[in-house]
Amino acid sequence: GQNIDQPTEMTATEGAIVQINCTYQTSGFNGLFWYQQHAGEAPTFLSYNVLDGLEEKGRFSSFLSRSKGYSYLLLKELQMKDSASYLCAVRSYNAGNMLTFGGGTRLMVKP
Amino acid sequence: DADVTQTPRNRITKTGKRIMLECSQTKGHDRMYWYRQDPGLGLRLIYYSFDVKDINKGEISDGYSVSRQAQAKFSLSLESAIPNQTALYFCATSGRGQGAQGTTDEQFFGPGTRLTVL
Repeated sequence: GQNIDQPTEMTATEGAIVQINCTYQTSGFNGLFWYQQHAGEAPTFLSYNVLDGLEEKGRFSSFLSRSKGYSYLLLKELQMKDSASYLCAVRSYNAGNMLTFGGGTRLMVKP
Repeated sequence: DADVTQTPRNRITKTGKRIMLECSQTKGHDRMYWYRQDPGLGLRLIYYSFDVKDINKGEISDGYSVSRQAQAKFSLSLESAIPNQTALYFCATSGRGQGAQGTTDEQFFGPGTRLTVL
């Protein structure tokens, strides 16, 4: 089976930087995804990592360490609209290349 | 227009009723998925389909069935709804996308159907 852990809630201040961690245990690792989900809306794709290192995309960056089973999503220059849930999902060959999602981290950005 | 649509958006029904949730997509993707989302549990895969003739069970398929009527349509049925099937249901599609690190196969989600079983 697979196990994915991420904090349930985080709070940060507008303009600041926040790091959302995700740890996972899986066999047949084939990529890690981050999705953003605003309350009552559909998840939307943010980033994908399959190799170790940092992927930067504007204000958002995602990091992966396969040996440690660890990823983080870094959000810079936080804006109020970044208040949302952030879902970490792992794809595994051993699960038919399907995604297994963590429970999500609800981020609240305060003025 | 939305690329992935779901109907209905909200539904309240009673225990024992048969319910069908429908999903349509205009993205031209072959792969379609049904998930349910419960607070604190994240998204869990119910069924997935790689093409019209390919249907596969996901993590939590018991109590559900699906039909892939066409490449663009994938419906989810609850034959006899029960209260613990109360959840937010999402349909998703995926194709082959090329990111900086190769194939992403990212999934695109519909707006969701909020189902309440009384």
